[in-house]
Amino acid sequence: AAGVIQSPRHLIKEKRETATLKCYPIPRHDTVYWYQQGPGQDPQFLISFYEKMQSDKGSIPDRFSAQQFSDYHSELNMSSLELGDSALYFCASSLPRGGGEQFFGPGTRLTVL
Amino acid sequence: DQQVKQNSPSLSVQEGRISILNCDYTNSMFDYFLWYKKYPAEGPTFLISISSIKDKNEDGRFTVFLNKSAKHLSLHIVPSQPGDSAVYFCAASELRGRSQGNLIFGKGTKLSVKP
Repeated sequence: AAGVIQSPRHLIKEKRETATLKCYPIPRHDTVYWYQQGPGQDPQFLISFYEKMQSDKGSIPDRFSAQQFSDYHSELNMSSLELGDSALYFCASSLPRGGGEQFFGPGTRLTVL
Repeated sequence: DQQVKQNSPSLSVQEGRISILNCDYTNSMFDYFLWYKKYPAEGPTFLISISSIKDKNEDGRFTVFLNKSAKHLSLHIVPSQPGDSAVYFCAASELRGRSQGNLIFGKGTKLSVKP
């Protein structure tokens, strides 16, 4: 079965650089969520989109922005990267009126040097 | 302020026995609860969920119990297998409009199943 696809899987950037993470949801899923997981931490919600509109916002820094495109894929744009942004970034997708299950991608490991 | 709490950071169980992972929550607005299994450097894998209108949901070796009055849920794995060794996250969400909102995760419990 098709799963959530994230790219790149690994990314190394320097401080103050920018990064773009991509997420391709499961076919027919039109809700996308972004989470950040720091070392030894639980995943923290960043932002979500439903039908290409932002639906909810969590602890996402102002330096980050995201959008969902017409094909339902989503991109997380991160600027002025800081050392503390080093983390695993997960994308999840779900059906809009589904049971609430979110299905996660493999994650992008971002390392800021 | 942790809204979803998993107070046991680790649990060790013998193969074939029952594993019981516990989770408590504080937000009475949560109406959907999920368990995820996670290996290092991989995304969380959905295991089983339960709606607040139920008190039990079973799927093969996995059963989730919900006690709303105590704001407590548990995941039972019977029988436990070495391949079950992983970190288990409890998560909760509340309905936002027409769909469930974002997930709030606990800190996770590392389960080790010994042969």
